[in-house]
Amino acid sequence: AQTVTQSQPEMSVQEAETVTLSCTYDTSESDYYLFWYKQPPSRQMILVIRQEAYKQQNATENRFSVNFQKAAKSFSLKISDSQLGDAAMYFCAYSMNRDDKIIFGKGTRLHILP
Amino acid sequence: DAGITQSPRHKVTETGTPVTLRCHQTENHRYMYWYRQDPGHGLRLIHYSYGVKDTDKGEVSDGYSVSRSKTEDFLLTLESATSSQTSVYFCAIRGRKNTEAFFGQGTRLTVV
Repeated sequence: AQTVTQSQPEMSVQEAETVTLSCTYDTSESDYYLFWYKQPPSRQMILVIRQEAYKQQNATENRFSVNFQKAAKSFSLKISDSQLGDAAMYFCAYSMNRDDKIIFGKGTRLHILP
Repeated sequence: DAGITQSPRHKVTETGTPVTLRCHQTENHRYMYWYRQDPGHGLRLIHYSYGVKDTDKGEVSDGYSVSRSKTEDFLLTLESATSSQTSVYFCAIRGRKNTEAFFGQGTRLTVV
């Protein structure tokens, strides 16, 4: 069965600094999708970034980028120039294909220090 | 924003009573999911649906049932609520053209 592991329950970063959130996953598939979702205190689930496994290029969305290491089954999220609004719970997620269920990690709570 | 609505948003119920949570979408998406979120556990899949009357179990399906008689509605039922089912429940939808899922606002359920 596929699993997603986030080994950092909580992290803190100084405002304007860069932080990296870790995620590893386990799968025997060669084609799949990976996601990072953000959940602020409002409880809303917001997609931050997505990565298709067949794409070697790392996905980037403004200040958010990923380091996708397929062989190592690693999918870390880098947040540059951290802002107070980035404080949230971040979930890493995996899906085998468009038709399959999405499996989530346990989350990393990110604190931004002013 | 994806057209997905959960109701109710909050509910307090007594142990042993049946409870039904509703997820309604206006996107005509094929796939719908029910998750529960608990501290330290992230989001865990309860049940999901890949079409009308087509459903399957997730990792924490015991004590829950689902129904999908129309594309737009996906119901989650707790047949006899227990305190361990106190949680925040999220519905999500996913279309054939989308790689990601879109989430509802969540329902906070408290079983006393």
